[in-house]
Amino acid sequence: ETGVTQSPTHLIKTRGQQVTLRCSSQSGHNTVSWYQQALGQGPQFIFQYYREEENGRGNFPPRFSGLQFPNYSSELNVNALELDDSALYLCASSSTPDRAEQYFGPGTRLTVT
Amino acid sequence: AQSVAQPEDQVNVAEGNPLTVKCTYSVSGNPYLFWYVQYPNRGLQFLLKYITGDNLVKGSYGFEAEFNKSQTSFHLKKPSALVSDSALYFCAVSGSNAGNNRKLIWGLGTSLAVNP
Repeated sequence: ETGVTQSPTHLIKTRGQQVTLRCSSQSGHNTVSWYQQALGQGPQFIFQYYREEENGRGNFPPRFSGLQFPNYSSELNVNALELDDSALYLCASSSTPDRAEQYFGPGTRLTVT
Repeated sequence: AQSVAQPEDQVNVAEGNPLTVKCTYSVSGNPYLFWYVQYPNRGLQFLLKYITGDNLVKGSYGFEAEFNKSQTSFHLKKPSALVSDSALYFCAVSGSNAGNNRKLIWGLGTSLAVNP
């Protein structure tokens, strides 16, 4: 098991609502990346945070936003939820931003109805 | 643009037989290549990576992968498959240029089924 934890494990929300997902990174890791994994797909990069600043973003709309805290834990916020936002959201921590192997949490399964 | 292809959606092998899960890539500059495994209802687990050096990389659980620059491939291999190896395998790549080129791009995954 990695030291990366995510909460909650599962979540059901209604279209139009807002959601916050949380991630605690592995000890000593200052970089957190968030991914969306739809059923039957590979992970899609949402964004990365390094030392509390956004450090790269994938092709996701602005209603996907994030934060990283001084202890390097992180939040993913999604506003105005859409049905297509239903997916497994994965958090990964790494010791550096660039190309280091990433250690993944178990994910949060979000269902939007 | 960077891309990763895993040409097989599913691979079936008998326990004890060798297995290969294929991956090809397209990236600017020298590639960094990774293999991850995902068990049902679990996050992804790092298996191995190629950065530089020996083209044959050894990783966790007896897996290895061979980097072939001319064929732009990074196939995952194991000499003798176990039923417990049954899972979803992802290949990922990043480039060596600045900016988002360094972010990991993921394949769609290959489902490995090892039959007893």
